[in-house]
Amino acid sequence: GEDVEQSLFLSVREGDSSVINCTYTDSSSTYLYWYKQEPGAGLQLLTYIFSNMDMKQDQRLTVLLNKKDKHLSLRIADTQTGDSAIYFCAETPGNTGKLIFGQGTTLQVKP
Amino acid sequence: ETGVTQTPRHLVMGMTNKKSLKCEQHLGHNAMYWYKQSAKKPLELMFVYSLEERVENNSVPSRFSPECPNSSHLFLHLHTLQPEDSALYLCASSQEQAGVSYEQYFGPGTRLTVT
Repeated sequence: GEDVEQSLFLSVREGDSSVINCTYTDSSSTYLYWYKQEPGAGLQLLTYIFSNMDMKQDQRLTVLLNKKDKHLSLRIADTQTGDSAIYFCAETPGNTGKLIFGQGTTLQVKP
Repeated sequence: ETGVTQTPRHLVMGMTNKKSLKCEQHLGHNAMYWYKQSAKKPLELMFVYSLEERVENNSVPSRFSPECPNSSHLFLHLHTLQPEDSALYLCASSQEQAGVSYEQYFGPGTRLTVT
């Protein structure tokens, strides 16, 4: 089946690193995504990783993929108050392009 | 206008009303989507249109009726809704090639309240 799980809440201090974790069930997923949703806004695509990659870095963001364990993580370096938002992990089973979302992790950044 | 826009941003309607949500994408994409986001639930895919044809309907009640007149516009017609239909309705678009769609870009959503 298709299922994506995330922890619901993470709190960090400004300047620390944040790590948001996600597990998925469908091993045929070709792309895995991280989206950010700020209050009252839609989802903003942050980054994505192709399933044959282990890591992708984009400025303060690092995505790690452990395909064997079906585990995806998003690391935000030097977390800022503007990073406070809900972060959604999503997979695309097979070649359908259909996005399966996790329930989202609320990141709270304390000054 | 850039990206994906949605109107209205907020909508309050009674259970007997008829209203429509509008989505427009300015990205040249050929696939469009409607999602429902309710509190404490994962995003639910409602409808998918590819090249203006509906390719997916995820067991959505008939009180929700989508329309895709062209590749840039998507509507969601609402009638006789229930209070549990109150949610944030998100539109997204993507570029589909050879049957595969890649990253989806989302609009800001319409916050719907059914009274």
